Amino acid sequence: EVHLVESGGGLVQPGGSLRLSCAASGFIFSNYPMNWVRQAPGKGLEWLSYIHHSVNVIHYADSVRGRFIISRDNAKNSLYLQMDSLRDEDTAVYYCARTWEGITNFDSWGQGTLVTVSS
Amino acid sequence: EIVMTQTPLSSPVTLGQSASISCRSSQSLLHSDGNTYLSWLHQRPGQPPRPLIYKISNRFSGVPDRFSGSGAGTDFTLKISRVEDEDVGVYYCTQASQFPYTFGQGTKLEI
Repeated sequence: EVHLVESGGGLVQPGGSLRLSCAASGFIFSNYPMNWVRQAPGKGLEWLSYIHHSVNVIHYADSVRGRFIISRDNAKNSLYLQMDSLRDEDTAVYYCARTWEGITNFDSWGQGTLVTVSS
Repeated sequence: EIVMTQTPLSSPVTLGQSASISCRSSQSLLHSDGNTYLSWLHQRPGQPPRPLIYKISNRFSGVPDRFSGSGAGTDFTLKISRVEDEDVGVYYCTQASQFPYTFGQGTKLEI
């Protein structure tokens, strides 16, 4: 069974940084692209970033490009999101989600980790 | 960026009746590989989204056949037959035909 567990969320001041992690299990992590998606309180879903599993292909949403960096460590079955220059509007639950190539963009989701940006 | 527009944004339904949600994309979702990467997700309060449908009309494993998807190009529909209590929540369409991946605003299904 696919299992994705996010961690690293918390309270951070505007302008601060945070690094999220997503631990994957139950599948061959190195065979799947991965994503970060967020959901602000009471709002809809917003895709943030994509990283391919083998080739150096990364995409970002305009809202986070230049501030967030996605990375992965296939040996550790882990996905990361380095978030810098955080703003109030970055407050959200952050999910990691797996892409099933040729099928769908998000076929498995973690439970999410809450990031609160506030002074 | 492909904009996804869902209607209605809220849908009150009666148990046992049907519900239908529309999703329209600002440009065709037909990919150069011949597939149309339109999916539907369901999110219950306090839970992560759960995938329901992929490539317009294919149900994920474990999804009841009460859920069906249809459409082509830029117009898509999710139909829920014989609505049950567990179907409450928010439904999102999403496209993977082009980056950035985008979602519809969500449709809240209320009993």
